[in-house]
Amino acid sequence: GAVVSQHPSRVICKSGTSVKIECRSLDFQATTMFWYRQFPKQSLMLMATSNEGSKATYEQGVEKDKFLINHASLTLSTLTVTSAHPEDSSFYICSARPFNSPLHFGNGTRLTVT
Amino acid sequence: DAKTTQPTSMDCAEGRAANLPCNHSTISGNEYVYWYRQIHSQGPQYIIHGLKNNETNEMASLIITEDRKSSTLILPHATLRDTAVYYCIVRGALSNFGNEKLTFGTGTRLTIIP
Repeated sequence: GAVVSQHPSRVICKSGTSVKIECRSLDFQATTMFWYRQFPKQSLMLMATSNEGSKATYEQGVEKDKFLINHASLTLSTLTVTSAHPEDSSFYICSARPFNSPLHFGNGTRLTVT
Repeated sequence: DAKTTQPTSMDCAEGRAANLPCNHSTISGNEYVYWYRQIHSQGPQYIIHGLKNNETNEMASLIITEDRKSSTLILPHATLRDTAVYYCIVRGALSNFGNEKLTFGTGTRLTIIP
């Protein structure tokens, strides 16, 4: 069964609004979670590392003020896309790793900004 | 992390074994070979990983050459549901200290033909 849960699976929003995506670890605690983005016909690109109780670490070229990450508990990380624009339309995927297990991924969130 | 090279695409007849190659000639001694797959519009799914010995689980077998410069993922009896993009990733051992991120290449698009 799924060990990492993402919500929502699909969201459509208007340009200029903000969207929050949740990533939950099921039945395990995750001090670290990872957020990826995938554009059509491309591979997954790591956006940021979410750290429980501290600031997220962003990859080069990812705007931290636009993609707000909050990891307030050991089972929940949220990614908020602020002031979304059509170019932010993408497939957002989170991942986390149970202790001594491989990295597991959520089923992704398809964001469409109109 | 070592770079990997995979064919862009492959076809395999349903019911036959699918053999997916991966070259990782710059792999270092402490780096593992991980395989994930991504079915359309879903998050990546862990398949298998290994260091130097061949590995087998309920999903697949992983054959690593003696010099560890290449490996092959084998799906013994491919079904239509195995159609996906398969990613071969090489990286050091996953610790429990927050460095578990994986870097994805372009992968191999495997199509199972009825």
